[in-house]
Amino acid sequence: DAGVIQSPRHEVTEMGQEVTLRCKPISGHDYLFWYRQTMMRGLELLIYFNNNVPIDDSGMPEDRFSAKMPNASFSTLKIQPSEPRDSAVYFCASSLTGGPLYGYTFGSGTRLTVV
Amino acid sequence: ILNVEQSPQSLHVQEGDSTNFTCSFPSSNFYALHWYRWETAKSPEALFVMTLNGDEKKKGRISATLNTKEGYSYLYIKGSQPEDSATYLCASVSGGSYIPTFGRGTSLIVHP
Repeated sequence: DAGVIQSPRHEVTEMGQEVTLRCKPISGHDYLFWYRQTMMRGLELLIYFNNNVPIDDSGMPEDRFSAKMPNASFSTLKIQPSEPRDSAVYFCASSLTGGPLYGYTFGSGTRLTVV
Repeated sequence: ILNVEQSPQSLHVQEGDSTNFTCSFPSSNFYALHWYRWETAKSPEALFVMTLNGDEKKKGRISATLNTKEGYSYLYIKGSQPEDSATYLCASVSGGSYIPTFGRGTSLIVHP
């Protein structure tokens, strides 16, 4: 398995533009997590899905952020409109149901810069 | 809300030194504790998953211990090498949410 695949690796966009980040979890994993990493707040959970259903989105900063998981092999995190304070590295991670007992597999992250 | 604290925030050591750092977490409703190794420009990789009080795990020169009653875990690196330079993250999982909450990490730099 190629692991958790995220795209793009880097994204530079202008303030006000829509940004879409993509994630392909490991095949067979039924949990998918979106995290944001910043210097100020460290690694913070934005939203997670179980069997493609959003379970907890309380970490999503505001209505400009949305996430979907249309099927078991694909998820998107969208920011519309983007703002400079959204600049961060966004990680996707996936796990089996026993994730707490086996650990989580992270993608390589998308470094987002909003100018 | 879980507060996972890691110390020190950063650490510089010389090649060959042994070192250790701490992860503190709320002990109530504890379920699991994870350690991850995170190299610059890469993704965090799981080192250890521990669940039982008194657990000790070892992988090569790296080992970890767990005290769930007092809410702390230590990560030890014996004979540090430059390739050990990375950020070491811990994450605590509670029985309520089963979702990991991460600490801010300890950044380790090993000088040749």
